[in-house]
Amino acid sequence: QKEVEQDPGPLSVPEGAIVSLNCTYSNSAFQYFMWYRQYSRKGPELLMYTYSSGNKEDGRFTAQVDKSSKYISLFIRDSQPSDSATYLCAMSVNQAGTALIFGKGTTLSVSS
Amino acid sequence: DSGVTQTPKHLITATGQRVTLRCSPRSGDLSVYWYQQSLDQGLQFLIQYYNGEERAKGNILERFSAQQFPDLHSELNLSSLELGDSALYFCASSVSGFGARETQYFGPGTRLLVL
Repeated sequence: QKEVEQDPGPLSVPEGAIVSLNCTYSNSAFQYFMWYRQYSRKGPELLMYTYSSGNKEDGRFTAQVDKSSKYISLFIRDSQPSDSATYLCAMSVNQAGTALIFGKGTTLSVSS
Repeated sequence: DSGVTQTPKHLITATGQRVTLRCSPRSGDLSVYWYQQSLDQGLQFLIQYYNGEERAKGNILERFSAQQFPDLHSELNLSSLELGDSALYFCASSVSGFGARETQYFGPGTRLLVL
């Protein structure tokens, strides 16, 4: 079993839809949870960052962490064609200099 | 634009060869990370340097090595290349590399194709 599992999709939605992206993980030591967005032929860019459990909202994006279920989610409201990209979840333990463990990414396509 | 630069953008080489990938971190960032992204494995951490010293090692093969120079740029050396080494190689940088709270900024990547 991989440490971080993410459904690769692809996920296709119409413009304006609410999108739900999810990851599950097996390492209960993970404390830091991130979502990165990667456009085609570009490097990943940080979208959202959450420490431990709870919700975090930033504009149209909401990140949720449920540590009891080892499950994290990213919600995108009022999705736009510009949201079409691959979304990668990433996690890290509470340790200095620890590298990120990434999911394989979910490819999202938002049609106008 | 993240401020992290990587050269070259594309590299085509043959099996058994050796290549060097270069990364310049964002101005002020002391820590550099190398990642490999392939279709079957996803984005995997290879190695991290902080101010010239190796800080953390991930799934880096013995055929691969890296270093960070006094001007903080980093190079990833890949030798005895195999077909399976074909992938996107990303460099990321962060201010100090202490703790996952820091944002890692990714470069545009180097696409390596081994024929």
